[in-house]
Amino acid sequence: QVQLQESGPGLVKPSGTLSLTCAVSGGSVSTNNWWSWVRQPPGKGLEWIAEIHHTGVTNYNPSLKSRVTISIDTSKSQFSLILNSVTAADTAVYYCARNGDYDQDHWGQGTLVTVSS
Amino acid sequence: EIVLTQSPGTLSLSPGERATLSCRASQSVSSTYLAWYQQKPGQAPRLLIYGASIRATGIPDRFSGSGSGTDFTLTISRLEPEDFAVYYCQQYDSFRYTFGQGTKVEIK
Repeated sequence: QVQLQESGPGLVKPSGTLSLTCAVSGGSVSTNNWWSWVRQPPGKGLEWIAEIHHTGVTNYNPSLKSRVTISIDTSKSQFSLILNSVTAADTAVYYCARNGDYDQDHWGQGTLVTVSS
Repeated sequence: EIVLTQSPGTLSLSPGERATLSCRASQSVSSTYLAWYQQKPGQAPRLLIYGASIRATGIPDRFSGSGSGTDFTLTISRLEPEDFAVYYCQQYDSFRYTFGQGTKVEIK
C-alpha cells in the first residue's frame, strides 16, 4: 500500500518561498502514475496545484502557474513543490497525492503552511 | 475552465436516511473524468467514486454515483454515523483538475 508523507517548514514569511517535499513509500514514483499537490485554506475547499510524471512531464493550475514549480527525484522516491512570492492567501494545508485514472487515489496526511511575518 | 457547483451547501439528515448530493458542471464533462471525495475534519480527502459511478477500493456499496454531461449525483442510500462529512466532486479537463465547493452532510 503506497503511503505519502509531506514535509517542510510550517511558517513562511510574506514574499518568501514555500518549499515542500512528499516522500513516497510502499511503492515507486517511477510507475506510470502521476503525482499531485492539492491545497486547502483553513475552512475552505480544495484546490489542485500541479502534477508530475516520473518522466518529468508537468501540468499546472493556470491560476498558480507563474509561481509554482513541481519536481521529482526518482532516486529518493519523492517529489517536491516550490511556491514563490507567497502571501497570506497561500496559507493552507498542503496535500501530496498519487493520481489514479483521473483522480487522486492516495493522499498524504497534509501539512499546514502559514504565511506570516 | 469548467466550474463545478455543488448543492445543497449543507444537508441535514438523520442516520438511516438517504442523502442525495448534486454536482453541476458549467460545461459537459466526460463521465470518465468525474470523481467524488469524502473529507472528515482534520483528515485528508478520501476517494469514493471515480469514472462517475465506479466505487473506489474498500468503499461500501451504500455509496453510489450517477449522471452524465453536466449533472452528476452522489447518493448515500442509508446514512451511517461515519458518513457525516464534507463531500467534494472533481473533474479533469485540459490537463487540470477542479473541485466543487463541497456539500456538508450534518446530523439533524
